[in-house]
Amino acid sequence: DTEVTQTPKHLVMGMTNKKSLKCEQHMGHRAMYWYKQKAKKPPELMFVYSYEKLSINESVPSRFSPECPNSSLLNLHLHALQPEDSALYLCASSYPATGGAGGYTFGSGTRLTVV
Amino acid sequence: SQQGEEDPQALSIQEGENATMNCSYKTSINNLQWYRQNSGRGLVHLILIRSNEREKHSGRLRVTLDTSKKSSSLLITASRAADTASYFCAPSYLSGAGSYQLTFGKGTKLSVIP
Repeated sequence: DTEVTQTPKHLVMGMTNKKSLKCEQHMGHRAMYWYKQKAKKPPELMFVYSYEKLSINESVPSRFSPECPNSSLLNLHLHALQPEDSALYLCASSYPATGGAGGYTFGSGTRLTVV
Repeated sequence: SQQGEEDPQALSIQEGENATMNCSYKTSINNLQWYRQNSGRGLVHLILIRSNEREKHSGRLRVTLDTSKKSSSLLITASRAADTASYFCAPSYLSGAGSYQLTFGKGTKLSVIP
C-alpha cells in the first residue's frame, strides 16, 4: 500500500458543528502532517507528528485539534470553525528520521466548506 | 520565510517544448523537493535532491541545485498536455523543534498546449 487515504473527500459544516477529518497510511511512515490550502495558494503547514507525538504546531487556532491515535492514523478534530477556514485540508506522511528522504506522500485532501 | 519562491508564476508552452521552472530559498536546507498538483487535488512527489547533490534526473525531469546561490531549477523535457499542472518547490529544513519541515512556494502554473 503506497497511499495516504483521507476521508471524507468533501465536508460541509456549520459554524457550531463538530466534525473530524481522518487520514490513514500503511507505509510504515512515522511522520504525519496536516496542511491547509486555500484556493490558488500553496499548502501551509499546520501540524507535524513524529512517532505519534506532536512536534510542530504552526500557531494554529485551538478550534483545530489534531490527534494521532497510532502510527497509521491521524485525525483533525474541528469545532466552531469560521467561514474563512474553508479550504482543502491535506494530510501527508514521510519517514522522519531521514528528513523525508523519500519525499512526502500526500492524500487527495478533504474539501471543507464552513457555512 | 523558509518557503521557496518559484519563477515564473505562470508558463504556457506548446506540446513538445521544454519547460523550466526556477526556485529560490533563503535558509540552509537538508534537501529540496518538487511536487505537482493538478487542480484541486493532492500533491504528487516528483523528485528530491539532497543538499550535497548538484543534479538529478528522473525520466523527463531534470533538477539542479546550487546551494551557494540557494536556488534550484526543474526542467521538464518534451512536454505533454498531461503535464499541465501547478508545480511547487519545497525546501526541507530542520526546524527548531528538531523535526524536518517542508514548506511550499507559491508555485508555477504550467499550461501545455496540444
